[in-house]
Amino acid sequence: QVQLVQSGAEVRKPGTSVRISCKTFGYTFTRFHIHWVRQAPGQGLQWMARLNPTDGSIRFAQKFQDRVTMTRDTSTNTVDMDLSSLTSDDTAVYYCGRVLTGVGIDYWGQGTLVTVSS
Amino acid sequence: DIQMTQSPSTLSASVGDRVTITCRASHNIDTWLAWYQQKPGKAPNLLIYKASSLHSGVPSRFSGSGSGTEFTLTISSLQPEDFATYYCQQYDSDYTFGQGTKLEIK
Repeated sequence: QVQLVQSGAEVRKPGTSVRISCKTFGYTFTRFHIHWVRQAPGQGLQWMARLNPTDGSIRFAQKFQDRVTMTRDTSTNTVDMDLSSLTSDDTAVYYCGRVLTGVGIDYWGQGTLVTVSS
Repeated sequence: DIQMTQSPSTLSASVGDRVTITCRASHNIDTWLAWYQQKPGKAPNLLIYKASSLHSGVPSRFSGSGSGTEFTLTISSLQPEDFATYYCQQYDSDYTFGQGTKLEIK
């Protein structure tokens, strides 16, 4: 069945970077975009970016376009997201999600907690 | 950017009640709107897409309506498992979520 499995929790110091992986199973990887959404503690959902696994093209929310990079590996069906220049405001749970075109995010990863603390 | 505004932020209701949550878009998004349910410590779950289409496996007590800039999510008869936080999301131009509505037990 369809699954998105994310890498484990991370702790980083301010000013550093973090990489989160999203490995997909159970469907044709190149047929669905992968999106990243984050949720700060006690806060709502914030859309960050999306990647088209077919060609690697990316769209970012304006807030993140200078700090987020995304790559995909079609041999392992994995999408990685790098977030740089971390501050305490980046402390959040980060989710990857598969998007069914015209529908929305129909499958989600389990979430990865990133804690930024000195 | 398209902004999404939900109301109310918190809603207190009882099992069996009919409840409605509203979502307003800052620009016309046609019917490119989805609704999600999120429970504490869990990823969101898709309920409604294209403003009014029920996602597979979602109970029929959930319904959505609206187009353009104003949308509603209705739960016809609240069940204990429905107490959660609900988010709208536009996907007309990239993605934007509303700030969420927490549905609490009265």
